[in-house]
Amino acid sequence: DAGVIQSPRHEVTEMGQEVTLRCKPISGHDYLFWYRQTMMRGLELLIYFNNNVPIDDSGMPEDRFSAKMPNASFSTLKIQPSEPRDSAVYFCASSSLNVAGVNNEQFFGPGTRLTVL
Amino acid sequence: QKEVEQNSGPLSVPEGAIASLNCTYSDRGSQSFFWYRQYSGKSPELIMFIYSNGDKEDGRFTAQLNKASQYVSLLIRDSQPSDSATYLCAVKGAGGFKTIFGAGTRLFVKA
Repeated sequence: DAGVIQSPRHEVTEMGQEVTLRCKPISGHDYLFWYRQTMMRGLELLIYFNNNVPIDDSGMPEDRFSAKMPNASFSTLKIQPSEPRDSAVYFCASSSLNVAGVNNEQFFGPGTRLTVL
Repeated sequence: QKEVEQNSGPLSVPEGAIASLNCTYSDRGSQSFFWYRQYSGKSPELIMFIYSNGDKEDGRFTAQLNKASQYVSLLIRDSQPSDSATYLCAVKGAGGFKTIFGAGTRLFVKA
């Protein structure tokens, strides 16, 4: 398995532009998570999906951020308009329940390093 | 008060020593506790998880949980330079799958 795939790996954009980050979870995983990591705030959960349905988006910082999961193998995180304070590494992670019905390990993608100038 | 707190470090130990990493959490209803390792420029990867009070051992790693004190720790025996990384403590509550991560402790193992 290729693991969680994210694209692009690096994105540099100017303030005000729209940014779209993409994620392909591990096949068979029915939970997908979007995180943001900065030196100041650490790793923060933005939103997570179960079976393509958003379950908890309380971590989404403001209306400029939106996330979708149109099918089990694809999700996007969009920032419109982008601001310099959005600069961070954005991780996508996926997981599934084990045979005991317990959700343990989250498998993280390589991340997208976003720089907003 | 942060929900999951860790000493940011850096924690420096000599090769072969025991490294002790600590974490406290604020939600008494928390059920699941995880330790992730993150190398510089890489993504987090799971080392251990623990649900019950007491110790859980896996090779050189031991996780310890004390729910009464709201305290989780990770011991790394026979520390190696390859253990040098940031260690993230993560906590999941009783409902849902929302996992809260601590800011991480940077560990340096000196050869």
